[in-house]
Amino acid sequence: RKEVEQDPGPFNVPEGATVAFNCTYSNSASQSFFWYRQDCRKEPKLLMSVYSSGNEDGRFTAQLNRASQYISLLIRDSKLSDSATYLCVVTSESHDMRFGAGTRLTVKP
Amino acid sequence: SQTIHQWPATLVQPVGSPLSLECTVEGTSNPNLYWYRQAAGRGLQLLFYSVGIGQISSEVPQNLSASRPQDRQFILSSKKLLLSDSGFYLCSQRAYLTDTQYFGPGTRLTVL
Repeated sequence: RKEVEQDPGPFNVPEGATVAFNCTYSNSASQSFFWYRQDCRKEPKLLMSVYSSGNEDGRFTAQLNRASQYISLLIRDSKLSDSATYLCVVTSESHDMRFGAGTRLTVKP
Repeated sequence: SQTIHQWPATLVQPVGSPLSLECTVEGTSNPNLYWYRQAAGRGLQLLFYSVGIGQISSEVPQNLSASRPQDRQFILSSKKLLLSDSGFYLCSQRAYLTDTQYFGPGTRLTVL
């Protein structure tokens, strides 16, 4: 079983749609959780951290469920510019940062 | 804020040739630095990390090596490239307070 698993997609949605991604992790000692965004042939960039209480940043909402060991990302009112690959990242010890393979999203007009 | 530089941006090398990729960081001192590789359609694989000058930890045994000759310089090398070394190589720095990582623009390596 992979340490961090994501549905690879692709998710093809129309503009304005709401889309949700899930990510599961295997290490129950994981401490920090993040969503990164990676555009085609570019480096990953931090989208948002994920806190136990859940957090929202504009159209983006992240949730953490420690009991079930998964995190989620919800994107409301999708824009064309949201098209990218979304990486789930989980850290345990200070240098043990594990990346999911990513979920590809395409938003179409 | 920190800035991470990587060069070259792209590289095409024959099998068996040597490799040297460079990463430099601005705007911070004594950073924790990392080398990752991303194969086509795959997730990021941690290759090496360094907590200081001359301090290198290897995560995956392979024909690559890393060095940190200066505080803000991290180098990835190989004496003989393999086809399987092709990929997108990313250097990153970890932010201490937030535990997040910031990536350089990457080097796209194709081994033929």
